[in-house]
Amino acid sequence: AQKITQTQPGMFVQEKEAVTLDCTYDTSDQSYGLFWYKQPSSGEMIFLIYQGSYDEQNATEGRYSLNFQKARKSANLVISASQLGDSAMYFCAMREEGGSQGNLIFGKGTKLSVKP
Amino acid sequence: GEEVAQTPKHLVRGEGQKAKLYCAPIKGHSYVFWYQQVLKNEFKFLISFQNENVFDETGMPKERFSAKCLPNSPCSLEIQATKLEDSAVYFCASTAGGEQYFGPGTRLTVT
Repeated sequence: AQKITQTQPGMFVQEKEAVTLDCTYDTSDQSYGLFWYKQPSSGEMIFLIYQGSYDEQNATEGRYSLNFQKARKSANLVISASQLGDSAMYFCAMREEGGSQGNLIFGKGTKLSVKP
Repeated sequence: GEEVAQTPKHLVRGEGQKAKLYCAPIKGHSYVFWYQQVLKNEFKFLISFQNENVFDETGMPKERFSAKCLPNSPCSLEIQATKLEDSAVYFCASTAGGEQYFGPGTRLTVT
């Protein structure tokens, strides 16, 4: 079974609007971390936001926020006020119990296209 | 340094040749990870190190892949006798314990 599921292979959003990228995860661990990374067409992996399984508040970083619903095992990324430069692949990832040195398990990504 | 450095940026090898990739983690980061990204979306974890010690190698195809992180040297990932299916971008990442910072990747093309 997939550990990280991103059901939207591609998404379009109008510039300046908000967009939600879906991510669901599967783990039996009590302690885990959830991450979102952005990969532009140039190929680098850019860390966006992190949510720990015990964090009670949803993580926010500038225009990025993570809508964490633990009971539903979802960790959706919300990008507010989309910009043309937000066009990229977005990957959700999980680090399971194993501490901060555990490897990341990635979803297959969502390609976001921002329309002017 | 402040960024994870990977060399070379591109590598082309004929099938059956050896390929060696290098990674310099961020100074002070004691954990290094190697990931393989195929077809621009699928990431596969290969191996991780805690300093010079292998921490987790569950993702490594043991027959042809090997990796090292020696003191005062860049970490390396070596593929003996490359196959067409090894064509991918290989990312190195490092962490001090929080988020993982990724290098720019090495694109390996096996022809």
